Amino acid sequence: EPEVTQTPSHQVTQMGQEVILRCVPISNHLYFYWYRQILGQKVEFLVSFYNNEISEKSEIFDDQFSVERPDGSNFTLKIRSTKLEDSAMYFCASSEGRSLLGYTFGSGTRLTVV
Amino acid sequence: AQSVAQPEDQVNVAEGNPLTVKCTYSVSGNPYLFWYVQYPNRGLQFLLKYITGDNLVKGSYGFEAEFNKSQTSFHLKKPSALVSDSALYFCAVRDPFDAGNMLTFGGGTRLMVKP
Repeated sequence: EPEVTQTPSHQVTQMGQEVILRCVPISNHLYFYWYRQILGQKVEFLVSFYNNEISEKSEIFDDQFSVERPDGSNFTLKIRSTKLEDSAMYFCASSEGRSLLGYTFGSGTRLTVV
Repeated sequence: AQSVAQPEDQVNVAEGNPLTVKCTYSVSGNPYLFWYVQYPNRGLQFLLKYITGDNLVKGSYGFEAEFNKSQTSFHLKKPSALVSDSALYFCAVRDPFDAGNMLTFGGGTRLMVKP
C-alpha cells in the first residue's frame, strides 16, 4: 500500500537553528499538507500546498515557516529559527485531490528543540 | 469556522464489551468526517470516513461510525473491544467549501481496553 514517508523520524536541534523536515508524498497525489502535534495535545493544521503554491495556512504558520516542493517527489517544511515551543511531532500528509481520496499521513518527525 | 469536540479524554472498557468514542462537529456545509487512530510513537492511521451516502460507515479493524446530521455527531463504535484497540483516537472534519482541504481535529480520546 502506498505510503507517505517522512525523514528523519526524530531530530534534535538547538534553539535558533534552522531545520528542514522532509516528506515524500504518495506519487500520484496532488495536495500536500503539514500538521503538528505538541506532546499530549491535538493535531493542528499548519499548511496545505497545491499546484506549487500554498492554498491555505493557519495562524501557526508564521514567517518562521516555509514549504517547498524542490523536485517532483519531495515536500519540505523549513523552520528558520527554531523556538522551544516548536518542539512537536510534525506530520506530512497528501491526498489525490479535492475529494480527499487517499488522505494519508506519514509517521511523523519528532522535533525536539533544546 | 469548523470545529470538532471529543467530550471524553479517556474511555475505559473491558475486553469483549462494546465501545463508543464520541465526536460532535460544527461546520457550515455538509461535512466530511474522519476517524484516525494513533498508537504510541506512531503516526495517524486512517480508520474510516464519511463523505456522503449511508449514515453507517464501516472501517478498518471492525470499527464503524454513524453519521447523525440532526445531532451533528459521528460516534465511533465497535461491538467487541480488543486489548489491542487501546490507543488514542481522533475525530476530524473538513468543510467541503474549504479550498485548502484542511482537516480540523478533535482533542483526542484515549481508549483503554482492559483484559
